[in-house]
Amino acid sequence: DAGVTQSPTHLIKTRGQQVTLRCSPKSGHDTVSWYQQALGQGPQFIFQYYEEEERQRGNFPDRFSGHQFPNYSSELNVNALLLGDSALYLCASSLEVGNSPLHFGNGTRLTVT
Amino acid sequence: KNQVEQSPQSLIILEGKNCTLQCNYTVSPFSNLRWYKQDTGRGPVSLTIMTFSENTKSNGRYTATLDADTKQSSLHITASQLSDSASYICVVSARNGGSQGNLIFGKGTKLSVKP
Repeated sequence: DAGVTQSPTHLIKTRGQQVTLRCSPKSGHDTVSWYQQALGQGPQFIFQYYEEEERQRGNFPDRFSGHQFPNYSSELNVNALLLGDSALYLCASSLEVGNSPLHFGNGTRLTVT
Repeated sequence: KNQVEQSPQSLIILEGKNCTLQCNYTVSPFSNLRWYKQDTGRGPVSLTIMTFSENTKSNGRYTATLDADTKQSSLHITASQLSDSASYICVVSARNGGSQGNLIFGKGTKLSVKP
């Protein structure tokens, strides 16, 4: 049973470019959340998708957008990249219940130069 | 403001020794508290989830405690192993329900176990 898979594992982009990160949730999970983790910090919530809709959003600008597909996989898009967007981007899947544990992927390391 | 504070920021111990990591939170209304282990370059892995009514929960050599009155939690690691070297993140859920967006993450404690 595959866990959460993310691609690519590493990515280098130039300031001003756009990037798309991908996530496949754990089998049976219907909810996908995205987090940004800067070095030495805890993950910061970006947004959550359920039933192909963005259900909740953290304090991130509109440059960050996403999508969930009918098979529950998800994409995170970031436009007009800034140097400060360099971070580990984590995808987590869960069931749509309050105490359901999050299952994280190993993340995509994005470096913006 | 909902916050989760962890201490110490980093910790070095010798293999075989025990250690305790602390988590203090100011999150209301409280739903549950989670501890995650994050190896370098990997995603966090869930260790325990505790609700308001639970004050102790174990997962192998990991034992988490929760005092909902003082809003404190601890993670005790017994007989540490080299593989315990990781960051340990405390996460508090601010509301019971379907949304994962009300999870407040601490910055983590970086544990290094030396031979």
